Amino acid sequence: KAGVTQTPRYLIKTRGQQVTLSCSPISGHRSVSWYQQTPGQGLQFLFEYFSETQRNKGNFPGRFSGRQFSNSRSEMNVSTLELGDSALYLCASSRVVQETQYFGPGTRLLVL
Amino acid sequence: ELKVEQNPLFLSMQEGKNYTIYCNYSTTSDRLYWYRQDPGKSLESLFVLLSNGAVKQEGRLMASLDTKARLSTLHITAAVHDLSATYFCAVEGSGGGADGLTFGKGTHLIIQP
Repeated sequence: KAGVTQTPRYLIKTRGQQVTLSCSPISGHRSVSWYQQTPGQGLQFLFEYFSETQRNKGNFPGRFSGRQFSNSRSEMNVSTLELGDSALYLCASSRVVQETQYFGPGTRLLVL
Repeated sequence: ELKVEQNPLFLSMQEGKNYTIYCNYSTTSDRLYWYRQDPGKSLESLFVLLSNGAVKQEGRLMASLDTKARLSTLHITAAVHDLSATYFCAVEGSGGGADGLTFGKGTHLIIQP
């Protein structure tokens, strides 16, 4: 069974731009969560989607948004990029909520 | 607010030795996870612990959970170089999984031959 896939794997943007990251969960998984990983703050929860509905949201500004499609694929968007948004963005999927989350390879975003 | 603390944050040990990584969390939790991350890679699920006294073992790694003490341990037996990685514990809050997983800062483990 294929794992979680994320595209693109690497991305370079400049301040003020916006970016969209994509995540395809493991087949049959309906819950998708997003996390930001930085050396300073570690792993931080961004949001969780289940059946196209956002269930939870972490403590991030409104510039960070996401959505989930009917096929469970998810996207997250960051608008008006700041230097501090440079991070590894990880997507994780699980069959349903509150089950083990399996992580994708991540998208490494660099904001210049 | 749920807080998760791991210690030590950095550990250098020799092959063949035993050691334990500790994970404390601040509030009641439904479940606790251990993940492994290799440099430049994503997170690999190791264990999920669901109840007080739960113990899981895989190879040289054994994880346990004491919900009363809000403490989980990851014990490494007779370490080998291949176990060098960063290990994270993560806790899912009670009340329907609100706030997703809260991670500790990770334990960077180096096992030297």
